[in-house]
Amino acid sequence: AQSVAQPEDQVNVAEGNPLTVKCTYSVSGNPYLFWYVQYPNRGLQFLLKYITGDNLVKGSYGFEAEFNKSQTSFHLKKPSALVSDSALYFCAVRGLGGGNKLTFGTGTQLKVEL
Amino acid sequence: DTGVSQDPRHKITKRGQNVTFRCDPISEHNRLYWYRQTLGQGPEFLTYFQNEAQLEKSRLLSDRFSAERPKGSFSTLEIQRTEQGDSAMYLCASSQNLNNEQFFGPGTRLTVL
Repeated sequence: AQSVAQPEDQVNVAEGNPLTVKCTYSVSGNPYLFWYVQYPNRGLQFLLKYITGDNLVKGSYGFEAEFNKSQTSFHLKKPSALVSDSALYFCAVRGLGGGNKLTFGTGTQLKVEL
Repeated sequence: DTGVSQDPRHKITKRGQNVTFRCDPISEHNRLYWYRQTLGQGPEFLTYFQNEAQLEKSRLLSDRFSAERPKGSFSTLEIQRTEQGDSAMYLCASSQNLNNEQFFGPGTRLTVL
């Protein structure tokens, strides 16, 4: 079975500081990893994905994520946080034997303060 | 707007009633997914279509739930004899192929009284 863990329910960071939202996964075979963001009363918006290739993946709105196979992690990062980045972030994984579905973590609420 | 659309956005119903939701995917996407999201949780997979064929169903999808995609375009999700535990946000997503990201609609929020 495939699973995702987001160990932090909430992350607080000051505007202008770097941010990291953590994600670890468990799958059979090579993972396909995704980050989505959810704003209040809106659907999930795709940020970035890792399928294969470079371990550092760049995505929308200045976000990036680093795939670490040995630590089975896919942490989301941004060098300089904005107040407008405040939202709920979900990590998701699809692996061999997981069919076509994405398995999501429970989400991490990011709060960026002035 | 060429994104995934869902209708209605909100539905309030009484326990025991039937409800039906509609999803219109991005037009060139042949893969369509339904998920359910409850408060404080990430989306949970319900079912998946490739064109008109329903290829995968979660154990979460009880006999009261049925989904169709009759012409390989829009899809409907019906819940019969709704229960209070069915209250959730129902999300639809579509993708162009297996390795592409899924694009999500705004969801239908169901409240069962």
